[in-house]
Amino acid sequence: KQEVTQIPAALSVPEGENLVLNCSFTDSAIYNLQWFRQDPGKGLTSLLLIQSSQREQTSGRLNASLDKSSGRSTLYIAASQPGDSATYLCAVSKQGANSKLTFGKGITLSVRP
Amino acid sequence: DVKVTQSSRYLVKRTGEKVFLECVQDMDHENMFWYRQDPGLGLRLIYFSYDVKMKEKGDIPEGYSVSREKKERFSLILESASTNQTSMYLCASSHTGLGEAFFGQGTRLTVV
Repeated sequence: KQEVTQIPAALSVPEGENLVLNCSFTDSAIYNLQWFRQDPGKGLTSLLLIQSSQREQTSGRLNASLDKSSGRSTLYIAASQPGDSATYLCAVSKQGANSKLTFGKGITLSVRP
Repeated sequence: DVKVTQSSRYLVKRTGEKVFLECVQDMDHENMFWYRQDPGLGLRLIYFSYDVKMKEKGDIPEGYSVSREKKERFSLILESASTNQTSMYLCASSHTGLGEAFFGQGTRLTVV
């Protein structure tokens, strides 16, 4: 059974810092990996999707990488801002599994002004 | 923009009531999902549907049922609400080929 781990559960950084959020998964037979952002009491917003054949994706200040063989992904946030404060979740889908996602529990990021 | 809309942001229901949570997507996605999210437990899949009238159980289907009569609409039904079903419920949809999932805004259900 696929397990997705995100450590640490919470992170606090000063504004302007570049930071890396980690995600690990136990089964490398994934179809894709997706990073989401969740603000308190809200739904999930898709940030980046990496197909299993890709190594990274970029959107603005965000860059996500994928290393299937080691079961790891990282989300890099450049020049963090207080508005980046949120919970970040990664999720993987399995090949041939109708896009069902298995989620990590998320990392709650606080960016201090 | 892809839009997934859940019918309510907040609901308060009494124990034993039958509860309907509705979700509509406007991107002609084949797949639709219902998750619940609880502190410390993360997101857990309740049911998903990969086509009209097709459904499969997720990890925690007990106490729930679903209905998908039209491609754009996926309903979650709590047959007899109980206090342990108090939770945040999240609906999602995705296209089979690309697989990117899009979520609704969530429904915070409280069962008293």
